[in-house]
Formats: sequence, structure tokens, C-alpha cells
Amino acid sequence: DGGITQSPKYLFRKEGQNVTLSCEQNLNHDAMYWYRQDPGQGLRLIYYSQIVNDFQKGDIAEGYSVSREKKESFPLTVTSAQKNPTAFYLCASSIDETSGTLGEQYFGPGTRLTVT
Amino acid sequence: GNSVTQMEGPVTLSEEAFLTINCTYTATGYPSLFWYVQYPGEGLQLLLKATKADDKGSNKGFEATYRKETTSFHLEKGSVQVSDSAVYFCALSDRYSGAGSYQLTFGKGTKLSVIP
Repeated sequence: DGGITQSPKYLFRKEGQNVTLSCEQNLNHDAMYWYRQDPGQGLRLIYYSQIVNDFQKGDIAEGYSVSREKKESFPLTVTSAQKNPTAFYLCASSIDETSGTLGEQYFGPGTRLTVT
Repeated sequence: GNSVTQMEGPVTLSEEAFLTINCTYTATGYPSLFWYVQYPGEGLQLLLKATKADDKGSNKGFEATYRKETTSFHLEKGSVQVSDSAVYFCALSDRYSGAGSYQLTFGKGTKLSVIP
């Protein structure tokens, strides 16, 4: 089955520690995204990557870092510089179309990070 | 820039009631429009989509029509079930940076609770 996996489902860390969230897809999609979801605020884009070895900051990139060394993988590191890291993190991917109009994204199940 | 506005929740309905969740958008180009659904503790799933004006997206008894003249994409269902309880997100996609990938802009979400 094709899809996106995120692990773990729940993650707990102490304040001041960096933590890396995993995102893997086997959909052969070129583009991948990381979103943060807070109650009542919808989804906000942290980083996105259109292709391997390339990524751009989204709306709330401060305190986060990413890498895209493989097409299938787009890990997100939440650094100690992120002021309020406790949130639900969602990874997504989409087909990179030059003429398509779908723009549809496929989401993983999410990782709930709690920092105390 | 692009934006999506959807009605504030939460919305509580009795089983078999009619559902409408309003969504309006602002976009510079000709976006595709989506409704995503998020069940408790899970990631987002695409519910339906429409890629051009007057298109009607439908799935699982839900439907929405892309109205360019009113810049709206309201979600409707004739008879809701308890299993429809979830958070519903309206979203639009527009191509960015000419590279062919699509960035989604989300509304803040509307929580629906259906009671027996």
C-alpha cells in the first residue's frame, strides 16, 4: 500500500533537547511538506521541499530544521530554539506536476510532540 | 495573498440533520479547492475536491460546488451520521514559484459533533 508514515505517534521530550520527527513516503512524490497544528489555529506550514536536496521555509520555520537527502524521506528536527514546540505535527506529500491542476496533498497520521 | 475563511465552530447537529459548513476564499489565480476531514487523533484525509468553476466535488454523501462568482466552496450533506463527527478543513491550492509544486492554504477548521 502506498502512503505516508510518521513515527512515533507520540513523542515526549524535555525542554532544551532537540528532537527529530520521521516522515517517509512511498508514493513517488517529489514534493513534501511539514505542518504544525495547534488547537483552533488550523495548519501552518513549517517547511516544504520540491525535490531532493532542496527545501524552503514556510510561514513558521524559526526553531525548526529539515533535510531532504532521499526522495522518500523528509525528517523534521525541532530544536531547542523553538519557543513552543508542543503541538501536533503533520507531514504531507504531493505530485510535482508541471501542468496539472490537482494540487492535492496526502497526509501522514501525525506525531504529537509534548515538551515539558 | 491567498486565504480561506470558514465558519467558526463547533457545530453540533442531531443525527440525520442537514449540514452546511461555509467556506469562502481569496486567490490571485485559478485555484483548486478542497475539503479535508480530520478524525480524532489522526491526520487529514481528502474528502472532496473541485478544480475549476462550477465543478461539484462529492464523496460519502458530502458535496461542494466551486462558485467563482461568490468565491465560495460550501460543504453540504443531507443527512449526517455520528461517524461524521470530525474537524473539516477547507483549503485551496495554487502553484507557487513556477516550479510545479502546489502549496495548500487552509482554513482554521470547523469541528462537527453529531449526536444520536
